[in-house]
Amino acid sequence: IAGITQAPTSQILAAGRRMTLRCTQDMRHNAMYWYRQDLGLGLRLIHYSNTAGTTGKGEVPDGYSVSRANTDDFPLTLASAVPSQTSVYFCASSVNVPMAGGADTQYFGPGTRLTVL
Amino acid sequence: AQSVTQLGSHVSVSEGALVLLRCNYSSSVPPYLFWYVQYPNQGLQLLLKYTSAATLVKGINGFEAEFKKSETSFHLTKPSAHMSDAAEYFCAVSVPGQFYFGTGTSLTVIP
Repeated sequence: IAGITQAPTSQILAAGRRMTLRCTQDMRHNAMYWYRQDLGLGLRLIHYSNTAGTTGKGEVPDGYSVSRANTDDFPLTLASAVPSQTSVYFCASSVNVPMAGGADTQYFGPGTRLTVL
Repeated sequence: AQSVTQLGSHVSVSEGALVLLRCNYSSSVPPYLFWYVQYPNQGLQLLLKYTSAATLVKGINGFEAEFKKSETSFHLTKPSAHMSDAAEYFCAVSVPGQFYFGTGTSLTVIP
C-alpha cells in the first residue's frame, strides 16, 4: 500500500507561472488536506475536502485553488506563483474530516518542496 | 478560540536522558489531542493520540503523553532518548469545527 503520493518532489518555479501539485491516496479516505510548512510557523491548512466533490478553505487559502473530482486525487494549483509561496507542501488524508471533532489520524505524503523565484 | 502552544522550539537532550516536550491547549470543549513526528525530509506520522479513553496514552517508539485537564497540558515524554528520536514533533488539537497544529519542537539528541 503506497498511502499518499505527491509529485513533484521538488520544483523551482518562476514568479507568475502556474503550477499544479499532485496528490493521490489509495486508502479510500473521505477527507483530504493541503498544508504548507514554513520555519517557525508549523503547518498551516490551505484547503481541505470532506469528500469527493466538496472543498473548503483553510487558514491560508489565498493564491491557491483545489479540486476533488474523485476520492483519490486532490491537486493544488497556484494560478500565478509568488515568492511568498516558497514552502514545503504536504498533502494528507483521513477517514473523515477532523473539523467534525473526531479523532481520525491524518496520514501525510512525503511533501513537495517548492521554490518561487 | 481553540489553540495549541508548544513551549520551546528547540530541545536538546543527551542520549539516554529523559525527553520532555511540552504542549498546552486552549479549548472550551473536551478536545482530542495528537502528537505527530516528522523525521528529516519526510511527512508527518502519528505518534499517539488522546481520545478520552485514558489520560495516559502510549504511542510508538516508547513515547507516551498524559492528558491533564487541570493544567490544559498534553506533554510528550520518553524515559531514555535514542539517537533515532532526533526529529520535529508537532502537537495538534481537534474540536468540532477546528483542527490546529502547534508550531513544532525540534529535538536534538546529543551522543
